[in-house]
Amino acid sequence: EDKVVQSPLSLVVHEGDTVTLNCSYEVTNFRSLLWYKQEKKAPTFLFMLTSSGIEKKSGRLSSILDKKELSSILNITATQTGDSAIYLCAVFSGNTGKLIFGQGTTLQVKP
Amino acid sequence: EAEVAQSPRYKITEKSQAVAFWCDPISGHATLYWYRQILGQGPELLVQFQDESVVDDSQLPKDRFSAERLKGVDSTLKIQPAELGDSAMYLCASSPNGGLRSTEAFFGQGTRLTVV
Repeated sequence: EDKVVQSPLSLVVHEGDTVTLNCSYEVTNFRSLLWYKQEKKAPTFLFMLTSSGIEKKSGRLSSILDKKELSSILNITATQTGDSAIYLCAVFSGNTGKLIFGQGTTLQVKP
Repeated sequence: EAEVAQSPRYKITEKSQAVAFWCDPISGHATLYWYRQILGQGPELLVQFQDESVVDDSQLPKDRFSAERLKGVDSTLKIQPAELGDSAMYLCASSPNGGLRSTEAFFGQGTRLTVV
């Protein structure tokens, strides 16, 4: 059965800290891995990683895909209170384009 | 910028009543997904459409839930009768491609359902 597992499930840091969020997957026919940020509404897209694009960076956020280890990390440097959110990892798999989500990591950044 | 449209944004209903949610994907997107997200958890796929056809509804509680995408464009998700445990955020997403070409998906604002 396809699955996506994120860790940790929750994390509390202080402003300025650097955090690393983890995502591992076991899926058939991997297509891409997506990271989303979710505040008290629908998820907003952060990054898409594929076999041809295994590293992405946008400002203080960066993400790497390790196809050998079937995992990805999302790094956030110099965290701010506005980074507080749920971070979701999702993977497209299989021949039908099924999009499977992990449980999410809840990040709280304290002033 | 093109967006996935969902309505209503919020819905309060009494248990045993019927409720329906609507989603209009980004124009031209072939694949449409309905997810249910319980507070504190990741989204759970309920149903996936490729054009007007259901590709995956293995997690859809078919005794009370139904979904359709008759013309392969907008979609409706219905619950009848609603139960207290159905209280959740219902998310719609669309993807420009389908099947083996799937690489990205975009979400609507969601419908937050409260069953009382």
